[in-house]
Amino acid sequence: NAGVTQTPKFRILKIGQSMTLQCTQDMNHNYMYWYRQDPGMGLKLIYYSVGAGITDKGEVPNGYNVSRSTTEDFPLRLELAAPSQTSVYFCASSYSGALVGEPQHFGDGTRLSIL
Amino acid sequence: AQTVTQSQPEMSVQEAETVTLSCTYDTSESDYYLFWYKQPPSRQMILVIRQEAYKQQNATENRFSVNFQKAAKSFSLKISDSQLGDAAMYFCAYRSAKVNAGANSKLTFGKGITLSVRP
Repeated sequence: NAGVTQTPKFRILKIGQSMTLQCTQDMNHNYMYWYRQDPGMGLKLIYYSVGAGITDKGEVPNGYNVSRSTTEDFPLRLELAAPSQTSVYFCASSYSGALVGEPQHFGDGTRLSIL
Repeated sequence: AQTVTQSQPEMSVQEAETVTLSCTYDTSESDYYLFWYKQPPSRQMILVIRQEAYKQQNATENRFSVNFQKAAKSFSLKISDSQLGDAAMYFCAYRSAKVNAGANSKLTFGKGITLSVRP
C-alpha cells in the first residue's frame, strides 16, 4: 500500500532557487495538508486543500504556493528559497476534515536545506 | 486558537517498565479529537492512539493507554512494558471536530517529547 508518497526525500538548495516538493496519495482522500517541522518543534500547517481546485492558507504560508489540479496530487512550491525555509516538510491526507476519529496519514517527509 | 503544550522535552525509561508522557491543551471547543503520534528516527509520523473528547472512557491500544481529563484539559500517554522500539519522539496533537472545518481540520501539535528506552 503506497499511502502518501513524497519526493524527493532530501534536497539542498541555494538561496534564491526555487523547487517543487511533490506529494501524491492513492487513498482517494479529499483533504490534503502540507506541514513543516522545524528542529525541536511540532508540525505547523503551511497550506491545505479540501478537494481538487480548492486550496487555502494555514498558519505559515509565506514563501510557498500550492495547487490541487487532481485529487491525488498536492505539490508545494518554494519560490526564492530562504534559509528560514530549512525544515522537514510533511504531506498528509485524510478522507474528510472531521470524520469521526479519522487520523491523518503522513508521508515520510522531505528534508530541505537552504544554503 | 487551540494550543498544545508538552512541557517535558525528554524522558527516559528502563526496558519493561512503565512511563507516562504528559500533554495539556487549551481550547474553547467542547468537541474535538486528541492524538498521540510517534516519530522514530526514520521521521515517519505514526499514529499511536486517539481519543474523542465526547467519550469519557480512556482509549487503549495494546501497551498504550491514555489518561484523558477533559476538565483539566490533560491528555497523558502511558506506555506499559516499554520496549526498545518505543524509543522515538512523541507528539500530542489536537483537532477540531467541526464538520467542514476547513483549516480547523488541521492538527495542532505540541513540541514533542523525546523518549529513550534503556536496555
